[in-house]
Amino acid sequence: GQNIDQPTEMTATEGAIVQINCTYQTSGFNGLFWYQQHAGEAPTFLSYNVLDGLEEKGRFSSFLSRSKGYSYLLLKELQMKDSASYLCAVNDYKLSFGAGTTVTVRA
Amino acid sequence: IAGITQAPTSQILAAGRRMTLRCTQDMRHNAMYWYRQDLGLGLRLIHYSNTAGTTGKGEVPDGYSVSRANTDDFPLTLASAVPSQTSVYFCASSTGTEAFFGQGTRLTVV
Repeated sequence: GQNIDQPTEMTATEGAIVQINCTYQTSGFNGLFWYQQHAGEAPTFLSYNVLDGLEEKGRFSSFLSRSKGYSYLLLKELQMKDSASYLCAVNDYKLSFGAGTTVTVRA
Repeated sequence: IAGITQAPTSQILAAGRRMTLRCTQDMRHNAMYWYRQDLGLGLRLIHYSNTAGTTGKGEVPDGYSVSRANTDDFPLTLASAVPSQTSVYFCASSTGTEAFFGQGTRLTVV
């Protein structure tokens, strides 16, 4: 089975940086995903990591350490529109999600 | 249309009724998934299919069934709906390195 943990809530100020951690214990591993979900909408893809290290995409970066069962999503230069839930998901030949982290960006 | 489509968008269903939620993708993705999303519980996997002709149980499969007769379609059936199945249901398809979601079906069982 899977055990995917991430913090429930985080608050940060506009322009700041926030790091959302995700730890996982799964029976297999075939990649880790991060998704963004605004209230009332479907999740949208942010990043995919399958090898250790940092993947950068504009203001968003994602890091993976397979040996530690650990990933983080880094959001830089926060904007009000970044207020959303961020979902960590692990693919161990089926795609399973953590409960999500609600990020609130304050002016 | 390119992408993944769910139908209906929303539904109110009497308890005990049978209901099929439809999901169709035209991206030829092998893997497809059904999730339910309830407040505070995130996305919970109901059933999945890694390729046409095969299905598997997820975290919360009881009360639900699926079929995967072809690559494009992955319907989810509630044989006899109960109020605890009130939720938002999302279908997704995946290449393995990216997963795309449908717009969701809001189901209320009364």
